[in-house]
Amino acid sequence: EVQLVESGGGLIKPGGSLRLSCAASGFTFSHAWMSWVRQAPGKGLEWVAQIGSTTDGGTIDYAAPVKGRFTISRDDSKNTLYLQIHNLKTEDSAVYYCASDSMVRGVLDYWGQGTLVTVSS
Amino acid sequence: DIQMTQSPSTLSASVGDSVTITCRASQSITSYLAWYQQKPGKAPKLLIFKASTLERGVPSRFSGSGSGTEFTLSIGSLQPDDFATYYCQQYNSYPWTFGQGTKVEIK
Repeated sequence: EVQLVESGGGLIKPGGSLRLSCAASGFTFSHAWMSWVRQAPGKGLEWVAQIGSTTDGGTIDYAAPVKGRFTISRDDSKNTLYLQIHNLKTEDSAVYYCASDSMVRGVLDYWGQGTLVTVSS
Repeated sequence: DIQMTQSPSTLSASVGDSVTITCRASQSITSYLAWYQQKPGKAPKLLIFKASTLERGVPSRFSGSGSGTEFTLSIGSLQPDDFATYYCQQYNSYPWTFGQGTKVEIK
């Protein structure tokens, strides 16, 4: 059974930093392309970042609002995806979902349950 | 960035009804379109990719069509489990973008 379990969310002051983690199991993590998608309270889905498989060169892309502040990375030895967030803004408040493209089809076929990040003073 | 626009924003229907949701892209995305279903408090679930290919395990009452800039998601004979919010998403080019969502509610 595929599982993606996010952790690391919480209440953070503006300007602070945070690292989100996503532990994966049930599929070949090292072959999968992985993404972070966020959803502000009561709002729609926003793709944040993606990292390709290491064998595919580990290509990284970011959405414009987070470029320069967010860093996506992966540790295939631990089957874990990360999102390092710096200089948090109130508009970064959202549930952050980890999602996989396990068969490299260009779509997000498995999702975690999400971790809530609240940025407030 | 490619803008994705869904219509309607909300759709009221009854169990057994057939419904259609439209998604328009601001420029051609060929067939690189996916549809997701999301229920309150839950993660999205992939329904359809490549505009019309049903993900494994998704009931056949769901179908997708379209190419270029106009796409549709159809649900034949709505079931109680289908009342949810549906999102389209383009993966033709980065940044990937989602539509604003269509909430299918019980009439």
